[in-house]
Amino acid sequence: DAGITQSPRHKVTETGTPVTLRCHQTENHRYMYWYRQDPGHGLRLIHYSYGVKDTDKGEVSDGYSVSRSKTEDFLLTLESATSSQTSVYFCAISDPRDSRTDTQYFGPGTRLTVL
Amino acid sequence: QKEVEQDPGPLSVPEGAIVSLNCTYSNSAFQYFMWYRQYSRKGPELLMYTYSSGNKEDGRFTAQVDKSSKYISLFIRDSQPSDSATYLCAMSARNDYKLSFGAGTTVTVRA
Repeated sequence: DAGITQSPRHKVTETGTPVTLRCHQTENHRYMYWYRQDPGHGLRLIHYSYGVKDTDKGEVSDGYSVSRSKTEDFLLTLESATSSQTSVYFCAISDPRDSRTDTQYFGPGTRLTVL
Repeated sequence: QKEVEQDPGPLSVPEGAIVSLNCTYSNSAFQYFMWYRQYSRKGPELLMYTYSSGNKEDGRFTAQVDKSSKYISLFIRDSQPSDSATYLCAMSARNDYKLSFGAGTTVTVRA
C-alpha cells in the first residue's frame, strides 16, 4: 500500500457524533486525497490537498471537512455523522515528480458504519 | 451522464479465458489512462498506466487507448482465479492531479 496507513480501519458510530479518520504517508508525496467508495458509484472524491494547509473540495464534500498540518498526515472529519456517510473511505497520494503523471496510490481503507 | 462509463458486470469466465474490460469517456482532455485492480476489502492497486493513444503490454495484461473513439480497454490473457477482483478504469487531464474513475467491473475467474 505504498507507505500509506489509515486509522482506524473499522469504526461503528452513532448518528450525530463527530468522527475523524486519519491518513498517514511515509512517501513525502505532495498530493493527498480522500475518497468514498459505495456500490454502483465507484470512487468519489471528497476532498484533496495539494500541500500543507492547502486543500480543496471534491465532488461529494458536503458534510466533510479536512485538515493537513504536516506533509505526512491528512485528516477527514465528519462533523455530525449521518447514515448516508456509511461507506468505505480510501486515502490516496500522488506526486508531480512521479514519472507516471497523475498516478495515485491508495491506502487500505477505513470501513465506517453510522447507525 | 457520468464522465466515465464502465459496465459493472459482474463478469464470470472459466480459467484460461480472455477477459475483456472497457470504459468510455466524454472528456476529450483526458490524456492519462490507468487501470486499477481491487481485491475484496483491499485498496485499489495500480495495474496498468498509459499515456495518450496506443497499446501497452505487461505480461498477461494489455491496455489499449483509442482517443478518437474515447474508449479504453484492458485484456487479461490466460486468466487465473487470482485475477478475480474488481477492475477500475481511471483517467485524468494534463496537470489536473485529479482522477475520474469508472464504477468498476467485478470479475470472477472460475477454476
